[in-house]
Amino acid sequence: AQSVAQPEDQVNVAEGNPLTVKCTYSVSGNPYLFWYVQYPNRGLQFLLKYITGDNLVKGSYGFEAEFNKSQTSFHLKKPSALVSDSALYFCAVRDMKDYGGATNKLIFGTGTLLAVQP
Amino acid sequence: DGGITQSPKYLFRKEGQNVTLSCEQNLNHDAMYWYRQDPGQGLRLIYYSQIVNDFQKGDIAEGYSVSREKKESFPLTVTSAQKNPTAFYLCASSMGYSRRKSSYEQYFGPGTRLTVT
Repeated sequence: AQSVAQPEDQVNVAEGNPLTVKCTYSVSGNPYLFWYVQYPNRGLQFLLKYITGDNLVKGSYGFEAEFNKSQTSFHLKKPSALVSDSALYFCAVRDMKDYGGATNKLIFGTGTLLAVQP
Repeated sequence: DGGITQSPKYLFRKEGQNVTLSCEQNLNHDAMYWYRQDPGQGLRLIYYSQIVNDFQKGDIAEGYSVSREKKESFPLTVTSAQKNPTAFYLCASSMGYSRRKSSYEQYFGPGTRLTVT
């Protein structure tokens, strides 16, 4: 079964330091991977995706993610954290159960709360 | 959140009452989804629809119902059969599998926080 795991409930980082939010996945076939951010009482905002191609994917707000097939990981990174980056981050993988059928379902991780201290 | 609207932002109901949450999109997307979000549990799929007049149950469909009569609209009814309806409800849409170049990312509305007492 397809699944995605975010092993850290919370990540704390000082402003200006690099940040990493971890995500690992388990899928059959080639994974389609996504990162979203959620601010309090708001909907999720799409940050970036990996479908194929370059393992380093760049997205919105200076975020990037590195796809590592051997480690089945897709960690979210940013070189220099801002206080305004503090939010809940979700990793997601496309559900491949019905591959070739007709579904666009995503399976979401449980989220990682990023806290950036000034 | 652009392109998808959910109303109202906050909704209060008495136990035993059905309530309908609105979701409208102007992105011309074929597929639409309803999720429930509870603290510490991430997002759980309630129902999804890949095309007008068609929808499928997600992982937690019991106590909920939907309709998809128009491409733009995908309302969710929380019925009195839902044991614990208090939650944050999120609607999303995506281009859909039918397009030649499918774009699988989903775009979310701002959410509706439902409180049932």
